[in-house]
Amino acid sequence: GAGVSQTPSNKVTEKGKYVELRCDPISGHTALYWYRQSLGQGPEFLIYFQGTGAADDSGLPNDRFFAVRPEGSVSTLKIQRTERGDSAVYLCASSVGPGTEAFFGQGTRLTVV
Amino acid sequence: EDKVVQSPLSLVVHEGDTVTLNCSYEVTNFRSLLWYKQEKKAPTFLFMLTSSGIEKKSGRLSSILDKKELFSILNITATQTGDSAIYLCAVKDSGAGSYQLTFGKGTKLSVIP
Repeated sequence: GAGVSQTPSNKVTEKGKYVELRCDPISGHTALYWYRQSLGQGPEFLIYFQGTGAADDSGLPNDRFFAVRPEGSVSTLKIQRTERGDSAVYLCASSVGPGTEAFFGQGTRLTVV
Repeated sequence: EDKVVQSPLSLVVHEGDTVTLNCSYEVTNFRSLLWYKQEKKAPTFLFMLTSSGIEKKSGRLSSILDKKELFSILNITATQTGDSAIYLCAVKDSGAGSYQLTFGKGTKLSVIP
């Protein structure tokens, strides 16, 4: 596609529910990143994929968070047993390779009530 | 731990003014410094800087990096109301192999007519 596409753009869920956030990177980009941005803060790194594998998941806050990229293109960020503190904008970015500039999607605003 | 500090946190100027945004950083294995403009949710890529003293320029925006003093500036000349946004600075660390970005909190620029 022309740019990084994220769906849904907004998601409201009840505390304790499971959610999935989807990212469709720019075609041909092998590197894919997930970031989380809370109000008034810069984006914080969650996980990095190179191809199909999670090369660095050191930013995932706990084991309720998991992400996959089974075919090396679309990625899904999964959050189990959501908490109100998970409310944030979840941003996905992709780049041609790990050393090149990353392009961000529009993000998914997650609100846990 | 990598760290990025941006100043000022917010700034209000009149159309036509020139502004300078500051970014200082600490990073273990510096690879590059990036500037993004964030309106609403998606950060939009502006510049990637890897070498000291070489100015990058795009229209009314320009940026330069000082790797000795560990800072970068983003200049915007003849500001317009459309420049109103949050400007994010980020550094890329290649040490962990993931090239993850560490962001500052951003500078919120408001340009008033």
